[in-house]
Amino acid sequence: RKEVEQDPGPFNVPEGATVAFNCTYSNSASQSFFWYRQDCRKEPKLLMSVYSSGNEDGRFTAQLNRASQYISLLIRDSKLSDSATYLCVVTGAGGTSYGKLTFGQGTILTVHP
Amino acid sequence: DTEVTQTPKHLVMGMTNKKSLKCEQHMGHRAMYWYKQKAKKPPELMFVYSYEKLSINESVPSRFSPECPNSSLLNLHLHALQPEDSALYLCASSQVAGGTDTQYFGPGTRLTVL
Repeated sequence: RKEVEQDPGPFNVPEGATVAFNCTYSNSASQSFFWYRQDCRKEPKLLMSVYSSGNEDGRFTAQLNRASQYISLLIRDSKLSDSATYLCVVTGAGGTSYGKLTFGQGTILTVHP
Repeated sequence: DTEVTQTPKHLVMGMTNKKSLKCEQHMGHRAMYWYKQKAKKPPELMFVYSYEKLSINESVPSRFSPECPNSSLLNLHLHALQPEDSALYLCASSQVAGGTDTQYFGPGTRLTVL
């Protein structure tokens, strides 16, 4: 089983749609959780950190369920500029993995007019 | 300013060449990282430097040799690479290596090995 698994995608949605991405992680002792976005041929950029209490940044809402080892990202009112690959990222639990980022395979989102 | 810079942006080298990739950050971060990313795959960690000392080497072949001359600079020396080493090489930094610190990525060096 992969350490971090994401929806395979790709997601192809019209502008204005709401889209949700899911992610699960295997190590229950994982420390921190993030969503990064990566545009084609660019570097990953932090979209938002994910907290157990849930957090929102404009049109983006992230949720963490530690009991289910599940992370989600909701994008409302999709824009063309939201088209990118979304990476679910988890940091290591301890020992030699402490602080090490583990990436999911990424989910490709295309928003069309 | 959350900026990590990398040079060169593109590099083409033969299998017998020696070249170096450079990474710089001026955010006062004490952890720096090298990642390798192949097309349509997520980044894979190669090395972690913490307080200018190598703390993690993810079993990377010795033809890749990292160096951290000071807290702001990170180099990756390349020698006798193979065509399968062609990839995007990303540098990242964070406040410290571990905990909840966000890693900030540079734009990467796109390497082609002929």
